[in-house]
Amino acid sequence: DVKVTQSSRYLVKRTGEKVFLECVQDMDHENMFWYRQDPGLGLRLIYFSYDVKMKEKGDIPEGYSVSREKKERFSLILESASTNQTSMYLCASSFRYEQYFGPGTRLTVT
Amino acid sequence: AQTVTQSQPEMSVQEAETVTLSCTYDTSENNYYLFWYKQPPSRQMILVIRQEAYKQQNATENRFSVNFQKAAKSFSLKISDSQLGDTAMYFCAFKAGSEKLVFGKGMKLTVNP
Repeated sequence: DVKVTQSSRYLVKRTGEKVFLECVQDMDHENMFWYRQDPGLGLRLIYFSYDVKMKEKGDIPEGYSVSREKKERFSLILESASTNQTSMYLCASSFRYEQYFGPGTRLTVT
Repeated sequence: AQTVTQSQPEMSVQEAETVTLSCTYDTSENNYYLFWYKQPPSRQMILVIRQEAYKQQNATENRFSVNFQKAAKSFSLKISDSQLGDTAMYFCAFKAGSEKLVFGKGMKLTVNP
């Protein structure tokens, strides 16, 4: 079975802190994604990556950056966390058309 | 740009009943995939069912089946014999070629005992 893991299930950070969310997949997938999930808004794509050291902006990249130094790991970085970044963050990896999701990280910025 | 619309934000159904979740989409593409994803409370999102647009036959997976109407751009999910474990958020999603996956806003389904 494909396994996508995220470093934390719950995270509380203060405004202005630098936040790292880590995602690891074990199926050698080339494609990885970071989404943000908010009630009534569904899933919105923040960034995605089709290969190591490659990244593409999604629909809402402002305030975020990403890093992909190894194929299995895709990190989401909040350079200076703000309260409007309080949300559920989902990582996914994909092969062809199917995406496999991690358990999510619920981030609260106070 | 492709869009996916789930017009019902919330539904409830009694255990053992059948429920249908609606989804419409908008695209100019001819070849694409449609998906239903399920996200149980505090649990991982998983794929429920997939439909390729070029296939006329509706996809089925055990108690889950779809009604795919390509001309109407409609993709509904039918859950038969609802179980308590079906309680979840359900997301309809669309993907064409190498384009990104586009999600609807989701629908919360509650199965009552």
